[in-house]
Amino acid sequence: ELKVEQNPLFLSMQEGKNYTIYCNYSTTSDRLYWYRQDPGKSLESLFVLLSNGAVKQEGRLMASLDTKARLSTLHITAAVHDLSATYFCAVGPSGTYKYIFGTGTRLKVLA
Amino acid sequence: SQTIHQWPATLVQPVGSPLSLECTVEGTSNPNLYWYRQAAGRGLQLLFYSVGIGQISSEVPQNLSASRPQDRQFILSSKKLLLSDSGFYLCAFSKGLVTNTGELFFGEGSRLTVL
Repeated sequence: ELKVEQNPLFLSMQEGKNYTIYCNYSTTSDRLYWYRQDPGKSLESLFVLLSNGAVKQEGRLMASLDTKARLSTLHITAAVHDLSATYFCAVGPSGTYKYIFGTGTRLKVLA
Repeated sequence: SQTIHQWPATLVQPVGSPLSLECTVEGTSNPNLYWYRQAAGRGLQLLFYSVGIGQISSEVPQNLSASRPQDRQFILSSKKLLLSDSGFYLCAFSKGLVTNTGELFFGEGSRLTVL
């Protein structure tokens, strides 16, 4: 059974600080996605990572994928309050049409 | 442009009552379609997915069912709701990986409360 684990589950950080969210998965996959969810809202796509070593950056967020280690990271640089949300990674196991989501990381950026 | 809509946005239903949630995709053909459920403060649980009309794959055995009567329509149903069916239901679509990134696009969600 595919498992997708994120850590930490909760993250409270000061504005201006850096931090990394980790996403580990337990089966072969060459596609990984990051999403953002604001309270009470649906999910918004952030990054699409489709190959080993892929790195994508948008503003203060940068995502990377290591398929050999089955690990993706979401790095936050100089956090601002607007980044407060829940972040999910999602894995598409090879040979399937499924998307399995991680447990989510609830980020709170304190002013 | 491609869009996805689901309705109703909010509903409150008594235990034992039926359920029907609808999802429609516009601006694309042959999408892969998905239903997810999110319990309060929790992650997303894959319920059903479909890669074509009439083709439904079930991930979680329970009192829910799904149907795809048309290419861009996906329906989630129940004959008798349970308290544990409460949650935020999300419909999503992707265009697959052959010529696309396989990225999932989500509808606005349907919040179900079973009393």
